[in-house]
Amino acid sequence: AQSVAQPEDQVNVAEGNPLTVKCTYSVSGNPYLFWYVQYPNRGLQFLLKYITGDNLVKGSYGFEAEFNKSQTSFHLKKPSALVSDSALYFCAVRGEGRRALTFGSGTRLQVQP
Amino acid sequence: DGGITQSPKYLFRKEGQNVTLSCEQNLNHDAMYWYRQDPGQGLRLIYYSQIVNDFQKGDIAEGYSVSREKKESFPLTVTSAQKNPTAFYLCASSPATGELFFGEGSRLTVL
Repeated sequence: AQSVAQPEDQVNVAEGNPLTVKCTYSVSGNPYLFWYVQYPNRGLQFLLKYITGDNLVKGSYGFEAEFNKSQTSFHLKKPSALVSDSALYFCAVRGEGRRALTFGSGTRLQVQP
Repeated sequence: DGGITQSPKYLFRKEGQNVTLSCEQNLNHDAMYWYRQDPGQGLRLIYYSQIVNDFQKGDIAEGYSVSREKKESFPLTVTSAQKNPTAFYLCASSPATGELFFGEGSRLTVL
């Protein structure tokens, strides 16, 4: 079985400050890890993925994520938050041989001006 | 433009009625998926299809049915057997690299 945990329902950060949205996972074998963002009443937009290689992955809109195998984590980060980053963020995982992603429950990011 | 089109965006259903949600993609992806989103629960997998004329149950398939007669199309039927169908339904497709591309969703409300 594969699973994802996003321990924070909401993260609040001031504009211009760095942000981190946490994600831990459980999967058999090597993980395929993803981050998505969702704006109200919209579908999910792909931000970035880790399949193999460098543990620091860069994605869209200045976001990046760090894969940590020993801690089974894949935290999303951004050096300087924008008010427009306020949205719902989902972490997802797929194990080797599996064809569907399992999503976390989501973390709402609120960036205050 | 390439992408995934879901329709209708909003749908209202009386109890006991079946409804079908449409999902069409022109990305030439083999794999397609249906997820259900409820507040505070993230996305849960209903059905997925890796190839035409084949599909697999996901974690919450009871009360739903699908077909995959064409590569471009993966409609979802919400049957009267689904006890709590009010939700936001998301369709996605995927290339071999694994990331999902989502449609804009269909919001179903049972009256």
